[in-house]
Amino acid sequence: KAGVTQTPRYLIKTRGQQVTLSCSPISGHRSVSWYQQTPGQGLQFLFEYFSETQRNKGNFPGRFSGRQFSNSRSEMNVSTLELGDSALYLCASSLGQGAGWSEAFFGQGTRLTVV
Amino acid sequence: AQKVTQAQTEISVVEKEDVTLDCVYETRDTTYYLFWYKQPPSGELVFLIRRNSFDEQNEISGRYSWNFQKSTSSFNFTITASQVVDSAVYFCALSEADRGSTLGRLYFGRGTQLTVWP
Repeated sequence: KAGVTQTPRYLIKTRGQQVTLSCSPISGHRSVSWYQQTPGQGLQFLFEYFSETQRNKGNFPGRFSGRQFSNSRSEMNVSTLELGDSALYLCASSLGQGAGWSEAFFGQGTRLTVV
Repeated sequence: AQKVTQAQTEISVVEKEDVTLDCVYETRDTTYYLFWYKQPPSGELVFLIRRNSFDEQNEISGRYSWNFQKSTSSFNFTITASQVVDSAVYFCALSEADRGSTLGRLYFGRGTQLTVWP
């Protein structure tokens, strides 16, 4: 079966712009989590969605937001981009419970570069 | 404070050597889960194992084995007879199941870059 698909794979944006990243989970999976990976901070939890509801949110500013659609696809949005937002953004898909409870399947990520 | 510590930043071994990746965690929860994930150069995290806090049995899966010791808050990962294909970054992670505000999130260590030379 198809894995977790994240689009786009690479993105270059200018400071101050906004960006939307997309994640299509594995068919049948209803939980989607987002993580940010940077050399300085490592892997950090952004948020988790289940059945279109945000179940948990990490310690990121309000510029970071997300949503989940009825087909379980998820998007995350970052507004007013800063240089420090440059990172690999990873999406994790799991059946019901989130990535903190059971095996999760990660996408290859979106590499965002802010210039 | 870091909830998961992987003290080894990089490890290099020659093929067929055994290698152990260390992981020390910190939590006040009585119920928690520990994970190991592998990140190859392609970027995705690949699930290797999940352990709950009440199950201290060691586990072996092929060349992989895990040693969970609550007394030392450690969850170490050993690869026996390493192969070049094992080269990757390995992450240990913790999720806490007692507290409502942090339920479901993974706390990752900084990772250990393992390089296996032929």
